[in-house]
Amino acid sequence: AQTVTQSQPEMSVQEAETVTLSCTYDTSESDYYLFWYKQPPSRQMILVIRQEAYKQQNATENRFSVNFQKAAKSFSLKISDSQLGDAAMYFCAYRSANTGNQFYFGTGTSLTVIP
Amino acid sequence: EPEVTQTPSHQVTQMGQEVILRCVPISNHLYFYWYRQILGQKVEFLVSFYNNEISEKSEIFDDQFSVERPDGSNFTLKIRSTKLEDSAMYFCATTGTEEETQYFGPGTRLLVL
Repeated sequence: AQTVTQSQPEMSVQEAETVTLSCTYDTSESDYYLFWYKQPPSRQMILVIRQEAYKQQNATENRFSVNFQKAAKSFSLKISDSQLGDAAMYFCAYRSANTGNQFYFGTGTSLTVIP
Repeated sequence: EPEVTQTPSHQVTQMGQEVILRCVPISNHLYFYWYRQILGQKVEFLVSFYNNEISEKSEIFDDQFSVERPDGSNFTLKIRSTKLEDSAMYFCATTGTEEETQYFGPGTRLLVL
């Protein structure tokens, strides 16, 4: 099974500053998808951003962007101009493009935004 | 924007009791999933369901668990005889036909006493 590793259990950022959350994964596949989900205190999982492995261009969604390094199997999330509402648990997830639809999640990073 | 809904939001049950968790997928979605998240731990895959049958399941999904789509809209997860270690948040997720993203419901918090 694929493994997803988030090495930062907790991170904090000052409001309006930029923070980067790390994610690495282990796979022998070449075609897959990567995701970042946000889980606020309400516990609902909300999609933040996704990346197709065949695309070299890093995905961007407003203040959220990723740094996808396929060779290094790294998929970090950058949050620019951090807002109080960004405080949440962030999960990195992997999904194969060929061998099943299940998601493999990392253990999460708890992000605190300091006013 | 269409969304996945789950009921109940919270359920407390006695060990050994049966529980049924319900999910209403986004209307044109055909792939359904259940995940669970034990407090403080990562989200774990339980089962995926397509075309009225299980397409994948994890080793967590043993004989105590079952899934079905009884009426063409709801997608249910049944736990026949709950154990203390079944206490967790259970998430339903759904996907459209030509899509990779899974859309998650708000979860059901299950507490087994």
